Amino acid sequence: AQSVTQPDIHITVSEGASLELRCNYSYGATPYLFWYVQSPGQGLQLLLKYFSGDTLVQGIKGFEAEFKRSQSSFNLRKPSVHWSDAAEYFCAVGPLGSYIPTFGRGTSLIVHP
Amino acid sequence: NAGVTQTPKFQVLKTGQSMTLQCAQDMNHEYMSWYRQDPGMGLRLIHYSVGAGITDQGEVPNGYNVSRSTTEDFPLRLLSAAPSQTSVYFCASSLQTATDTQYFGPGTRLTVL
Repeated sequence: AQSVTQPDIHITVSEGASLELRCNYSYGATPYLFWYVQSPGQGLQLLLKYFSGDTLVQGIKGFEAEFKRSQSSFNLRKPSVHWSDAAEYFCAVGPLGSYIPTFGRGTSLIVHP
Repeated sequence: NAGVTQTPKFQVLKTGQSMTLQCAQDMNHEYMSWYRQDPGMGLRLIHYSVGAGITDQGEVPNGYNVSRSTTEDFPLRLLSAAPSQTSVYFCASSLQTATDTQYFGPGTRLTVL
């Protein structure tokens, strides 16, 4: 069975600082991996996704994520955080063509001015 | 395009009442899904559909019914609401599967007293 772990429930950073949100997955083969962002009171929006190819994936809003097969990780990064990045971030996993993805529990990002 | 729309935005029910959460998309997507979001639990899939007339259960289907008579609409029915169904409900759609980019609606916040 597939699973996703986001070890950090909350992350606090200062505006302008770098950010890394952790995601570890469990799946037998190479899965599809996703990062979604949920702004307060909103639905989820896809930031980026990975299945194959270059292990460093670029997404929207200046985010990137790196797939590391040896560590079963897909961490999300941003070099300089803006106050508008304060939101809930979800990592998700699913095999190619899956109808039932698995979401992590989310990491809440707090940005201090 | 309106994307994915959900109504209502907020609802309060008494235990035992029934209601239908509406979801519609105008992107001609085949795959539609319903999730519930609870604090600390991430998103959990309730039901999904891969096309008109085809539905299937997700991780947490008990207490919920769905149907898909058209490509555009995917309503979620609570036949006899229970306090355990207090949650935020999201509808999502994608081209064909959950590993295609999913587009989420704004959510319905449901409280069952």
